[in-house]
Amino acid sequence: DMKVTQMPRYLIKRMGENVLLECGQDMSHETMYWYRQDPGLGLQLIYISYDVDSNSEGDIPKGYRVSRKKREHFSLILDSAKTNQTSVYFCASSLLTGGNYAEQFFGPGTRLTVL
Amino acid sequence: GDKVKQSPSALSLQEGTNSALRCNFSIAATTVQWFLQNPRGSLINLFYLVPGTKENGRLKSTFNSKESYSTLHIRDAQLEDSGTYFCADSNYQLIWGSGTKLIIKP
Repeated sequence: DMKVTQMPRYLIKRMGENVLLECGQDMSHETMYWYRQDPGLGLQLIYISYDVDSNSEGDIPKGYRVSRKKREHFSLILDSAKTNQTSVYFCASSLLTGGNYAEQFFGPGTRLTVL
Repeated sequence: GDKVKQSPSALSLQEGTNSALRCNFSIAATTVQWFLQNPRGSLINLFYLVPGTKENGRLKSTFNSKESYSTLHIRDAQLEDSGTYFCADSNYQLIWGSGTKLIIKP
């Protein structure tokens, strides 16, 4: 069963604390993504990873960094979290075929609250 | 302006009726994805389309790349169809529409 998993599903942190969000996929997809979604809005792209140790900034990378040491895992790190980083974070993965990004599959999301 | 514009922004349907949601592109989209974000927040893949039509149960989607639009038809709407429907141009990275919030009333 093709799946994207995210841990944890819910997280509460205080301002200034470090945050680690984890994502896994079992489809051997090369490309993985991190998005955030704020209430009533669509998803905003934070980072793309094309494969292990090959990451690129998305539209809103400030305040975030990522790590991809294995193809099936992609981590999002917030060093010294801020209250405006309270959001729902989605991870996704896709195949890269013929130079085009194919269908993206999404994880269930992590609801992060920064107090 | 919006590169991917969805209409309507909100819609209320009686259970058992039919409707169509629309997605207009101001960019040269070559592939389109449709998602349903259910009331629990999960993003469910509905369709991944190159130009043409796909059908899955009570849902059918058409993508016309020449006229830069895509439609999602819902037939015999059920309560579980409630949620927000997003379309996205999936050329290189997903460029999202702002969504159509659909409420199905019994």
